Amino acid sequence: AQSVTQLGSHVSVSEGALVLLRCNYSSSVPPYLFWYVQYPNQGLQLLLKYTTGATLVKGINGFEAEFKKSETSFHLTKPSAHMSDAAEYFCAVVSGGSEKLVFGKGMKLTVNP
Amino acid sequence: DAMVIQNPRYQVTQFGKPVTLSCSQTLNHNVMYWYQQKSSQAPKLLFHYYDKDFNNEADTPDNFQSRRPNTSFCFLDIRSPGLGDAAMYLCATSRDAGGVETQYFGPGTRLLVL
Repeated sequence: AQSVTQLGSHVSVSEGALVLLRCNYSSSVPPYLFWYVQYPNQGLQLLLKYTTGATLVKGINGFEAEFKKSETSFHLTKPSAHMSDAAEYFCAVVSGGSEKLVFGKGMKLTVNP
Repeated sequence: DAMVIQNPRYQVTQFGKPVTLSCSQTLNHNVMYWYQQKSSQAPKLLFHYYDKDFNNEADTPDNFQSRRPNTSFCFLDIRSPGLGDAAMYLCATSRDAGGVETQYFGPGTRLLVL
């Protein structure tokens, strides 16, 4: 069965600093990978997804992620953090042939002025 | 704007008193999902409808039921809420089934059980 690991629960960065949120997955077949963001008291919003093709995926709000099969990773990055990026970020995986989206435990991002 | 709407945003119920949460969508999507998200945890899929076909997750308690009377609406019924059912309940939709499809989430209903 597929699974997602997001180590730690909280990341704090300064405004303008690099954002790096780590995600590792486990899947027996090539996966589809997603990053969702959840702002306080709101639902989840898709940031970006990888299905096939180019391994570097660009998403909304300046975020991008790179699928690295050899490392079973799909880390999320943004070159320069903004105060509005403060939210919780969830990595998720769907294995080919499955319809089920499996989420990691999430990572709360704090951006300090 | 096309969207997923959940009502109410906050629901308080008493231990053992049945409660219904509502979700509607203007996206005309075929698939509707219900997730449970407890504090500081990942969303957990309870069940989903593909059109009128109901798909229950194996570990979803019998206490949780769902109805989809038409394409636009889907309801989550909790027959006898326990304290452990206090959580955020998220509704989501997707155009079609299949892992590649993006799921669109509503804002959630936060359920408090007294």
